Amino acid sequence: DAKTTQPPSMDCAEGRAANLPCNHSTISGNEYVYWYRQIHSQGPQYIIHGLKNNETNEMASLIITEDRKSSTLILPHATLRDTAVYYCIVRVATQGGSEKLVFGKGTKLTVNP
Amino acid sequence: GAGVSQSPSNKVTEKGKDVELRCDPISGHTALYWYRQSLGQGLEFLIYFQGNSAPDKSGLPSDRFSAERTGGSVSTLTIQRTQQEDSAVYLCASSQNRGETQYFGPGTRLLVL
Repeated sequence: DAKTTQPPSMDCAEGRAANLPCNHSTISGNEYVYWYRQIHSQGPQYIIHGLKNNETNEMASLIITEDRKSSTLILPHATLRDTAVYYCIVRVATQGGSEKLVFGKGTKLTVNP
Repeated sequence: GAGVSQSPSNKVTEKGKDVELRCDPISGHTALYWYRQSLGQGLEFLIYFQGNSAPDKSGLPSDRFSAERTGGSVSTLTIQRTQQEDSAVYLCASSQNRGETQYFGPGTRLLVL
C-alpha cells in the first residue's frame, strides 16, 4: 500500500550528482514526503523530508514539484558509501488510527568508481 | 547524541521457543514504533506506542506477538512459540512526537530454526 513509485535501480559515477526521482501523485495537501536509505544489513537512515518548499541539509537536497505529485532527491557529490536502497515515503494511516511508514521497493543506487 | 539502540543484534532460536527483543529509543522521544523486514521485502508495521496512550497494535500478525513499553522509554517485543516464518529483521524507530520524523535502530536479526 505504498503511495509512491520509484525506478528500481540507478547508477551514478563517483563525484557526480545523483538525482533520484519519485512519483507520489495521490499525495494530499498536508502530507510530507520523506526520504530514507538503507545500506545492506543496516537500519533505515533518515535523509530529508519536505512538504512544499525545496529543502537542503548536510546530506542532500529535496526538490518538490509545484503540484507536489513528484519529487527528486539530489545527492550533490555521490561517494561509494552512498550506494544503498533509497526509499521515498508518504506516511499511511494504520487501522488503529496512528500512522506508519510504508517502504516500497525503493531505488537501488549504485555509485561506481 | 545517542541514537536508537536495539538488542540483541542477532538472535538464533529454535522453533517453539519464546524470544524477547529490546529497544531503547532516543531520550525524550515519546513515540516508538516496531516494524519487521523480511528478506527482500519492505517494512511491515507491527505496533506503535505514544506516551501513556493505549498502543496501536493493529499491525501485530498474530496473538503470539506482544509488546510493552515501560516508563515511556524502553520497549520489549515478545514473540511466543516462534515459527520459521517469524525469521526477519525487527526494527525499532522513535520520534519526538507523533507525526514527526522517525529514527531507526540497527535492528535485531532473528533466525528461527
